[in-house]
Amino acid sequence: EPEVTQTPSHQVTQMGQEVILRCVPISNHLYFYWYRQILGQKVEFLVSFYNNEISEKSEIFDDQFSVERPDGSNFTLKIRSTKLEDSAMYFCASSEGGIFQGAYNEKLFFGSGTQLSVL
Amino acid sequence: SQKIEQNSEALNIQEGKTATLTCNYTNYSPAYLQWYRQDPGRGPVFLLLIRENEKEKRKERLKVTFDTTLKQSLFHITASQPADSATYLCALRGYIPTFGRGTSLIVHP
Repeated sequence: EPEVTQTPSHQVTQMGQEVILRCVPISNHLYFYWYRQILGQKVEFLVSFYNNEISEKSEIFDDQFSVERPDGSNFTLKIRSTKLEDSAMYFCASSEGGIFQGAYNEKLFFGSGTQLSVL
Repeated sequence: SQKIEQNSEALNIQEGKTATLTCNYTNYSPAYLQWYRQDPGRGPVFLLLIRENEKEKRKERLKVTFDTTLKQSLFHITASQPADSATYLCALRGYIPTFGRGTSLIVHP
């Protein structure tokens, strides 16, 4: 069964450093998402991406964050200058359809996540 | 603002019993509601979707109800097994897929 893959599974970085988290969504999916989950808390929406541009973003997704689809398969999340509070599990997800097709019911397929630790 | 509430306390039940988890929402009128399962250190996995015009949906031992008047969904697992132990998340599908905090289910043998 196709799956979303994320690399690395763990990333340790120093405060102020840049990190890039990588994801390979399912190949025929059109919508891509990043979520994060701080330990013991809920899965929080960061950003959605469709047709090579951001379609929605949350308040968490400030100027320190950016997303890119550099080629036909990868989807990346960059944090320019990491802070201690960025420590979390970051999940990539994809869906076959979404709001721009009127598909509000599309299920999300999640990767296994990247555990980011900022020291 | 939109709010999704799930019981933050863990639900402990004995194997073979029916587990019932609750999802309440406010300031929202979703056309669809989804339930996901999340195991520790893993991403959520889709289980079931229910539409606003459906009262009930079943899949094997799982059953979901959706009451748009009460703004509530109930998620049932019948004949529960220790392997059902996980956190169960409800999600409202609209412009932004939004998740509740989840309820941890622990099924004791």
